[in-house]
Amino acid sequence: DAGVTQSPTHLIKTRGQQVTLRCSPKSGHDTVSWYQQALGQGPQFIFQYYEEEERQRGNFPDRFSGHQFPNYSSELNVNALLLGDSALYLCASRGQGRWGYTFGSGTRLTVV
Amino acid sequence: RKEVEQDPGPFNVPEGATVAFNCTYSNSASQSFFWYRQDCRKEPKLLMSVYSSGNEDGRFTAQLNRASQYISLLIRDSKLSDSATYLCVVNIFFGNEKLTFGTGTRLTIIP
Repeated sequence: DAGVTQSPTHLIKTRGQQVTLRCSPKSGHDTVSWYQQALGQGPQFIFQYYEEEERQRGNFPDRFSGHQFPNYSSELNVNALLLGDSALYLCASRGQGRWGYTFGSGTRLTVV
Repeated sequence: RKEVEQDPGPFNVPEGATVAFNCTYSNSASQSFFWYRQDCRKEPKLLMSVYSSGNEDGRFTAQLNRASQYISLLIRDSKLSDSATYLCVVNIFFGNEKLTFGTGTRLTIIP
């Protein structure tokens, strides 16, 4: 049973560029959340998707946007990249009625 | 004040020792609580949920004090494989929730 899969695993982008990160939730999971983890910090909540809608959003600017598809997979888009966007981006999924989230191994984004 | 506060460590303890981590949270509306473990450059993995009555899973014991808004994790008979960062996590409410993480406490078990 595949867990949460994310692609790509690593990415290097230049300031001002745009990036799209992808996530496939664990089989049977329908809720997807995205987190940003800077070095030495805990993950910070970006937003959550359920039934193809953004249900909740953390304290991130509009440059961060997302989407959920009918098969529950999700994308995170970041526009106008800044150096400070360099981080590990984690996708986490949860099934209905379940408290614990399963995390993917993340996409490490470096902005130069 | 941070929503979830942990001592960042590092904690360096000898193999076989008992180690305790503490965490406080600021939002009294928090409803569910977890400890996650994160190995270097890996994703967080759920270690255990934390219940008001306290719960145990092998060598690991978690406690929750809602009145003090305090969560703890106790690791007994520590193993080398316990070396990791331990993240305290709270969830405000089910159905429209977000996980709020502490900065993590780094633990190194010394042979």
